[in-house]
Amino acid sequence: GENVEQHPSTLSVQEGDSAVIKCTYSDSASNYFPWYKQELGKRPQLIIDIRSNVGEKKDQRIAVTLNKTAKHFSLHITETQPEDSAVYFCAASKAGTASKLTFGTGTRLQVTL
Amino acid sequence: KAGVTQTPRYLIKTRGQQVTLSCSPISGHRSVSWYQQTPGQGLQFLFEYFSETQRNKGNFPGRFSGRQFSNSRSEMNVSTLELGDSALYLCASRPITGVETQYFGPGTRLLVL
Repeated sequence: GENVEQHPSTLSVQEGDSAVIKCTYSDSASNYFPWYKQELGKRPQLIIDIRSNVGEKKDQRIAVTLNKTAKHFSLHITETQPEDSAVYFCAASKAGTASKLTFGTGTRLQVTL
Repeated sequence: KAGVTQTPRYLIKTRGQQVTLSCSPISGHRSVSWYQQTPGQGLQFLFEYFSETQRNKGNFPGRFSGRQFSNSRSEMNVSTLELGDSALYLCASRPITGVETQYFGPGTRLLVL
């Protein structure tokens, strides 16, 4: 089955710096790649997603890039703020089984003042 | 629209008992998926229901089962509880086939003693 690896497991940046989280997937049939943010005690919230027919997507300070050949995708957060502190999960799914998300192990991002 | 809701939010059970968790999707969403979140295994897909039928299933034993009602509300049942079933159980809904974006509920935290 699909396997998604996520790095780093923890990331500490200073406010205003950029943060990059990387994921690799194993199944070349995967075509949907969402990123979720989970604050302590809260539900995972979708922050951005990308489909395999697109190489990059941006939403204000957040961007995701996808390299299908290398089977990896990355989350970029610019101008980080303390409220960006949370655990971030990448995930992947295949056409026809879009709900069957395989998640990475998560990255704990801490933004320090 | 109201978000995905789950009841109960917290539950304590003892080994050998069974438990039923409930999920109400966002109005108009017909697909409901269930995930288990633990510190050790992360977020793992349990199953998906769409139009009262199980469409996809993860790698969990038969003690884990679910169903969906005609109003799209879903229930998940775990029989013969084990200590390792202690976890946060999340459900997620999405509108229709072809729309991948899933929205998560707040989860039910189950503690098995």
